[in-house]
Amino acid sequence: QSALTQARSVSGSPGQSVTISCPGPSGNVRGYVYVSWYQQHPGKAPKLIIYDVTKRPSGVPDRFSGSKSGNTASLTISGLQPEDEADYYCCSYAGVSNLDVFDGGTKLTVL
Amino acid sequence: EVQLAESGGVVVQPGGSLRLSCAASGFKFDDYTMHWVRQVPGKGLEWVALVSWDGYSTYYADSVRGRFTISRDNNKKSIYLQMNGLKSEDTAFYYCAKDSSGSFFFYLHYWGQGTLVTVSS
Repeated sequence: QSALTQARSVSGSPGQSVTISCPGPSGNVRGYVYVSWYQQHPGKAPKLIIYDVTKRPSGVPDRFSGSKSGNTASLTISGLQPEDEADYYCCSYAGVSNLDVFDGGTKLTVL
Repeated sequence: EVQLAESGGVVVQPGGSLRLSCAASGFKFDDYTMHWVRQVPGKGLEWVALVSWDGYSTYYADSVRGRFTISRDNNKKSIYLQMNGLKSEDTAFYYCAKDSSGSFFFYLHYWGQGTLVTVSS
């Protein structure tokens, strides 16, 4: 994954749910993969919304949830709100041998 | 309240040098790993470098290794990014960010507002 990877896009209507996926680190990964998700509105700094795969920082609505299956992490946003329209980035860290940790990002449009 | 404030972003010529600073407040600074992350306007996030809580361990993205140096001064509650041999592709917003502990988890709970570095002749 890389900032140079072309960003993806997803969309949904208010009240719907969307899921954004993030393939984990490439190669023979041994040990734990530290997964976090960030939300970024235009002109703003990124904001942590999920860490340790499933945990939400204080103040993040429970509409945001994280999961992981195999090597793929996912962010699900339930009950979409207009303010959820933003870019979302996954960060997967599995050790200092691979520090290309951010994916290319996913642009969420709330229709 | 945790606050991170970057400074030092300017327009610099290719091949030039620049030092960014990030001043921290609102937490026990010397307990945490700190990071620099950059973002080309309109593009995605790219992790740049980290420094351990004690300053003894540093790691870099391949794209900047050998040109950039991250450091910290725990007395001044600040981290720095010395950028040498700047290239046009280094043009980006540079954010400093706080990890969740003194270990390397890349759980970046707090970010500054960023400082813009423009490399152009």
